Amino acid sequence: DAKTTQPNSMESNEEEPVHLPCNHSTISGTDYIHWYRQLPSQGPEYVIHGLTSNVNNRMASLAIAEDRKSSTLILHRATLRDAAVYYCILRDRGSTLGRLYFGRGTQLTVWP
Amino acid sequence: DAGVTQSPTHLIKTRGQQVTLRCSPKSGHDTVSWYQQALGQGPQFIFQYYEEEERQRGNFPDRFSGHQFPNYSSELNVNALLLGDSALYLCASSLMPQQNSYEQYFGPGTRLTVT
Repeated sequence: DAKTTQPNSMESNEEEPVHLPCNHSTISGTDYIHWYRQLPSQGPEYVIHGLTSNVNNRMASLAIAEDRKSSTLILHRATLRDAAVYYCILRDRGSTLGRLYFGRGTQLTVWP
Repeated sequence: DAGVTQSPTHLIKTRGQQVTLRCSPKSGHDTVSWYQQALGQGPQFIFQYYEEEERQRGNFPDRFSGHQFPNYSSELNVNALLLGDSALYLCASSLMPQQNSYEQYFGPGTRLTVT
């Protein structure tokens, strides 16, 4: 399974943008890049996913490097509710199975 | 629309005992996956059920078993509990096939403590 590398922790001030990096140098051409986050005392929740092009949704933006060996999750204006562990996950586009491979993720702290 | 629900919320068991955890998937979902999350770690995949059959299994011993019912709900059973089984057990639901289904919905988990 392709692996991802993320910093253990990051900090941000409220209402500032946050850029969460993820390295996936062994990514294959059929791997989607998924991001999930886990708020305290909750299960993980889906944030965003992409394949090659940058993606935007109501929660965040995903910027994917041209060679796809890295990506960045962008929170445009961090709020206290964004404090969570963020997981970058690769998932084979051809897989019909739902298995997700979680690493340890990045613990995001947001300061008021 | 109810999301994924799990019961119980917390559970304390003694080594050697058996435990059953329950999960109801999000309305309209037919696939249930179970994950184990130790403290400070990311969730680890245990197995996945679809059409009442185990479809994929992670690196967990046979002490971990499961079941899916016709209404798509699921149970996770763990026999001969060890101290190392203490963890948060997460249930996730989704739709099969999943090539075009990118999102899994997770429940809040069951916190199991083995003493």
